[in-house]
Amino acid sequence: DTGVSQDPRHKITKRGQNVTFRCDPISEHNRLYWYRQTLGQGPEFLTYFQNEAQLEKSRLLSDRFSAERPKGSFSTLEIQRTEQGDSAMYLCASTLLGPLEELFFGEGSRLTVL
Amino acid sequence: GQQVMQIPQYQHVQEGEDFTTYCNSSTTLSNIQWYKQRPGGHPVFLIQLVKSGEVKKQKRLTFQFGEAKKNSSLHITATQTTDVGTYFCAGYSGYSTLTFGKGTMLLVSP
Repeated sequence: DTGVSQDPRHKITKRGQNVTFRCDPISEHNRLYWYRQTLGQGPEFLTYFQNEAQLEKSRLLSDRFSAERPKGSFSTLEIQRTEQGDSAMYLCASTLLGPLEELFFGEGSRLTVL
Repeated sequence: GQQVMQIPQYQHVQEGEDFTTYCNSSTTLSNIQWYKQRPGGHPVFLIQLVKSGEVKKQKRLTFQFGEAKKNSSLHITATQTTDVGTYFCAGYSGYSTLTFGKGTMLLVSP
């Protein structure tokens, strides 16, 4: 499978715990995005990388959130001291910089904070 | 910041009826994209529109980009049950972040 893969697909955690999600983009894609989606809403932008550089972060990304993309390949999104309001689907998408920047989304990582 | 609004939020049609969803941006867009998300699935790219007044067709789907590049529409002719899902528009306004609308959920009854 050469699509975007995310791991884990589901995570249930207790409030206050730290969680980490991983995203493996399509190999030749140089841009990687993280979005958050809650029920009945569209994907909300969190952050994006061009190669290994994190170029933009949303105001939604509090200091409890951190993302990395070492070596410009896979990316991780960590949430520290989780809160119930963090419960959502975390979507990763990748694309190749160019005239058509179609986003290819992964299946997402669903987080439930109890 | 940029806002992208979609109406209606939800529409329930009988199979064979037409469906239209509308997208409006608070800022001029450099381009607009449309995605479809099936229940339990992830967003899947449908199309990108770039030019003012552009119209593109994909079988029963017709996409339009407004003259002012601030609005767009998706029209489905003669809906089928396979059209069920949520349709999102998403726009770039000069930055490298794609802002999504809240989507229009389409339910098609046979």
